[in-house]
Amino acid sequence: AAGVIQSPRHLIKEKRETATLKCYPIPRHDTVYWYQQGPGQDPQFLISFYEKMQSDKGSIPDRFSAQQFSDYHSELNMSSLELGDSALYFCASSWTGGSYGYTFGSGTRLTVV
Amino acid sequence: AQSVAQPEDQVNVAEGNPLTVKCTYSVSGNPYLFWYVQYPNRGLQFLLKYITGDNLVKGSYGFEAEFNKSQTSFHLKKPSALVSDSALYFCAVRDMSGTYKYIFGTGTRLKVLA
Repeated sequence: AAGVIQSPRHLIKEKRETATLKCYPIPRHDTVYWYQQGPGQDPQFLISFYEKMQSDKGSIPDRFSAQQFSDYHSELNMSSLELGDSALYFCASSWTGGSYGYTFGSGTRLTVV
Repeated sequence: AQSVAQPEDQVNVAEGNPLTVKCTYSVSGNPYLFWYVQYPNRGLQFLLKYITGDNLVKGSYGFEAEFNKSQTSFHLKKPSALVSDSALYFCAVRDMSGTYKYIFGTGTRLKVLA
């Protein structure tokens, strides 16, 4: 079965650079969520989209932005990267008509040097 | 506000022994509770969920969880631990008040000793 696809799997950037993370949800899923998991931390909710509109916002820095496109894939754009942005970034998707659980992608590991 | 707590940072158990990973929750309304497992440098894998119905929920890899409303707990259990069960376990509650985002506990590292 198709899963949530995230790309790239690994990304190394320098401070003050920009990074773009991509997420391709499971087909027919209408909601995408982004989470950030720092080293040794639990996943923290960043932002979500329902039907291409932002539906909720968590602890996402102003330097970050995200959007969901017409094909439902989502991109997380991160500018002016800081060392503290080094983390595992997860995307998850769900269908609001489903059984309330959702599926995570394998994550993108971002390292800022 | 919805929240979950995992009081133990680490749980050690001998292989073949039963294991329990604890989780308590605080929600307004009916809770939607989940357990996920995370292996090193890997994503979060769904184990099981409680939405409604039987208090004992069976999930993947032989895991089960018991929902206890009076104690507001949702402990993860397995009758006989395997070394391969060693991983990081997260309890989560789904925020049903709005956009259904997950709120995770701080995680419990399970170490199964051979």
